[in-house]
Amino acid sequence: DTAVSQTPKYLVTQMGNDKSIKCEQNLGHDTMYWYKQDSKKFLKIMFSYNNKELIINETVPNRFSPKSPDKAHLNLHINSLELGDSAVYFCASSPEFQGEETQYFGPGTRLLVL
Amino acid sequence: GDSVTQMEGPVTLSEEAFLTINCTYTATGYPSLFWYVQYPGEGLQLLLKATKADDKGSNKGFEATYRKETTSFHLEKGSVQVSDSAVYFCARQNTGFQKLVFGTGTRLLVSP
Repeated sequence: DTAVSQTPKYLVTQMGNDKSIKCEQNLGHDTMYWYKQDSKKFLKIMFSYNNKELIINETVPNRFSPKSPDKAHLNLHINSLELGDSAVYFCASSPEFQGEETQYFGPGTRLLVL
Repeated sequence: GDSVTQMEGPVTLSEEAFLTINCTYTATGYPSLFWYVQYPGEGLQLLLKATKADDKGSNKGFEATYRKETTSFHLEKGSVQVSDSAVYFCARQNTGFQKLVFGTGTRLLVSP
């Protein structure tokens, strides 16, 4: 069973389009995250949700809007895609927000904006 | 602010060589420290972690010791294998605040 899954795995789209990436975890965790990995492999957090509430928003442009319909899902919607949005987006989850809980990562969604 | 600095790669080794990947962190708060590994085309997997000074994390032959006096968490392995070829990320997490701050990653290439 896949613990943290993301769809789609690959996404190629034109500049200006709107797209969504979905993430689901079956670990029963309370907290979920989105990270962005750029072409140089640099990883940075974008958002964190705890029990469907936004906890962390790391100065991400408001074209990016996370949505958490329930604590097992955290989707990422991106409006008006730009070339610089091309990256690998990783979803992750952890049991709690407080404390040193290990984060479990999904396989990543490779987004290419043309 | 909080940051993690890793040695630049790629690190190229022959099989059975000794591996060290350096990692240092900014000394703010009392962070937990992690090493994550990313195999080609895959997501990140936790390799090991240490939550307080002098703790040693270990897994799959890899080790790292939390050194508060040198603010370091260097990754070591005595004998690398071709299957260890991957990108290794050092990361910190402040106590009570779940955001992981990653280093830039170090690519390891092991040849037979």
